[in-house]
Amino acid sequence: KNEVEQSPQNLTAQEGEFITINCSYSVGISALHWLQQHPGGGIVSLFMLSSGKKKHGRLIATINIQEKHSSLHITASHPRDSAVYICAVRMDSNYQLIWGAGTKLIIKP
Amino acid sequence: EAGVTQFPSHSVIEKGQTVTLRCDPISGHDNLYWYRRVMGKEIKFLLHFVKESKQDESGMPNNRFLAERTGGTYSTLKVQPAELEDSGVYFCASSRSGVPYEQYFGPGTRLTVT
Repeated sequence: KNEVEQSPQNLTAQEGEFITINCSYSVGISALHWLQQHPGGGIVSLFMLSSGKKKHGRLIATINIQEKHSSLHITASHPRDSAVYICAVRMDSNYQLIWGAGTKLIIKP
Repeated sequence: EAGVTQFPSHSVIEKGQTVTLRCDPISGHDNLYWYRRVMGKEIKFLLHFVKESKQDESGMPNNRFLAERTGGTYSTLKVQPAELEDSGVYFCASSRSGVPYEQYFGPGTRLTVT
């Protein structure tokens, strides 16, 4: 079992829908990252969280340290949001990131 | 500021050949990381440099992989000899020193071993 689990693996939605992607982890962490990868593209960091909630434009990320769970929300989704969204955690003990498998999001016009 | 750059963007080599991947971190970032995604699996950590020193190389798969960061600036990752299972995308990231600062990622190098 991977130390970082994401759900769902795949998500297809209509433009305008509210999107939620979940991430659960089983290790002690110092920070959690949400990242975005477009097809054929590199990785872009969206958020780094250690507590609470962050918002950037239509993206919102929350983390519950006690429950070891984080969510990424996209409001008013748009086809350009289509990408793979990846959760990665930084362990307490070192700097390396442990990665989830990613959620492939497709937003249809 | 310029972002993390990687070269080449794509490399196709035959099994048994040698390939060297390069990563140029953001200027002033002491921390440099290598990750890879192979065969549709999760991205995995390979190693972490702090300046020119290897801080953590626990993710390096075997001794066919050699990473260097001479002078604490750019880094190279050499695979010698390459095997089929080395095919994948190799990502580099950098971050500032100190508290766990955000990592900035390069575009990746897609390695295909035939």
